[in-house]
Amino acid sequence: DAGVIQSPRHEVTEMGQEVTLRCKPISGHNSLFWYRQTMMRGLELLIYFNNNVPIDDSGMPEDRFSAKMPNASFSTLKIQPSEPRDSAVYFCASSETGPVEKLFFGSGTQLSVL
Amino acid sequence: KQEVTQIPAALSVPEGENLVLNCSFTDSAIYNLQWFRQDPGKGLTSLLLIQSSQREQTSGRLNASLDKSSGRSTLYIAASQPGDSATYLCAPFNTGNQFYFGTGTSLTVIP
Repeated sequence: DAGVIQSPRHEVTEMGQEVTLRCKPISGHNSLFWYRQTMMRGLELLIYFNNNVPIDDSGMPEDRFSAKMPNASFSTLKIQPSEPRDSAVYFCASSETGPVEKLFFGSGTQLSVL
Repeated sequence: KQEVTQIPAALSVPEGENLVLNCSFTDSAIYNLQWFRQDPGKGLTSLLLIQSSQREQTSGRLNASLDKSSGRSTLYIAASQPGDSATYLCAPFNTGNQFYFGTGTSLTVIP
């Protein structure tokens, strides 16, 4: 299996622009997670989906952030409008059945908002 | 909210040494705990998942122990190698329905 695939690997954008991050989970995994990693705050869970349904989005920082999972093999995390403080590495992870299982991470998207 | 502390923040050892990484957490009502490895510019790789009912879990040169009641876990690495150089994070999973990550221990193994 190719593992969790994220795109793009790097994104540089200007403040105010819309940013869309993409994730393809491991085939057959039913749960998908979006994390953000910064030096100051470490790894934080933003949202997780189970069977394509958002279960917990309490970590989404503001209304500027939104996430979708239209099918079992694709998810997006959108930031609109982006701000410099959104600069971070965004990870997608998946697990077989739920959040209590072993997590498989993608390589992340390094986002820089200028 | 679960608070996770990892000590030391950084560790440098000569190749071949055995070493212990420490993790402590404030909420002992956990279901399990995972240890991850993160290489620079990469995602996290799960090394070991230890259930709350278990005392330890082993994989190759790695051994993770869990003392749930005292809120502690350790990761023991035997006969360290330069390829073990990475950041190691622990993440307990509890009733908040998510894994809470520590800030990690950055390990350097010197050849």
